Amino acid sequence: QSVLTQPPSVSGAPGQRVTISCTGSSSNIGVGYDVHWYQQLPGTAPKLLIYGDTKRPSGVPDRFSGSKSGTSASLAITGLQAEDEADYYCQCFDTSLRGSVFGGGTKLTVL
Amino acid sequence: QVQLVESGGGVVQPGGSLRLSCAASGFTFNIFSMHWVRQAPGKGLEWLTVISRDGSNKYYADSVKGRFTISRDISKNTLYLQMNSLRTDDTGVYYCARAKSGTWNGMDVWGQGTTLTVSS
Repeated sequence: QSVLTQPPSVSGAPGQRVTISCTGSSSNIGVGYDVHWYQQLPGTAPKLLIYGDTKRPSGVPDRFSGSKSGTSASLAITGLQAEDEADYYCQCFDTSLRGSVFGGGTKLTVL
Repeated sequence: QVQLVESGGGVVQPGGSLRLSCAASGFTFNIFSMHWVRQAPGKGLEWLTVISRDGSNKYYADSVKGRFTISRDISKNTLYLQMNSLRTDDTGVYYCARAKSGTWNGMDVWGQGTTLTVSS
């Protein structure tokens, strides 16, 4: 059971918009620590998708966006494509644990 | 190109020890904090530990505190993870990753992972 809670799965049809939530607490997201998002394609290492809540590394399409409010953060993917089918993880620093934590991960299925 | 390559994984009996290595290339190793992250079979990502640029600060997840030790050799551009008192639940793929900036600002470069199996 992770400190950051994500839905186990989400799905959407090509071209649609989906969001993935990441719910934390007053010891991580709620105190303002940055949230980062990763995409992990099957059989590969994770890839940084969003950092600092809303920033995209070079090369990440602007179809991916991040937001944060209170003790939660969200990853939005617009114009869904078959290649977006992957596992997505949020990550944040936790003051109680004095370390980083990942969400449990969300499997995105493109219908 | 910027690259991290892990090595040292294998099969170890419970209670045993192993040291993982992560060779960095294509960037100035000593100006980045470095992390280890693992993934148990069919499970999610678990952050394990981080070391600061100069190696003076280290942080560990409770699950490995007292058993695992992170270190780095600037002269060899290499990150290490010494793992002692291994348990079956330490089985998984171990990734090293570069902190984008500072220590907690996301991990922007990842290795391909090395697999550890703890089994009798």
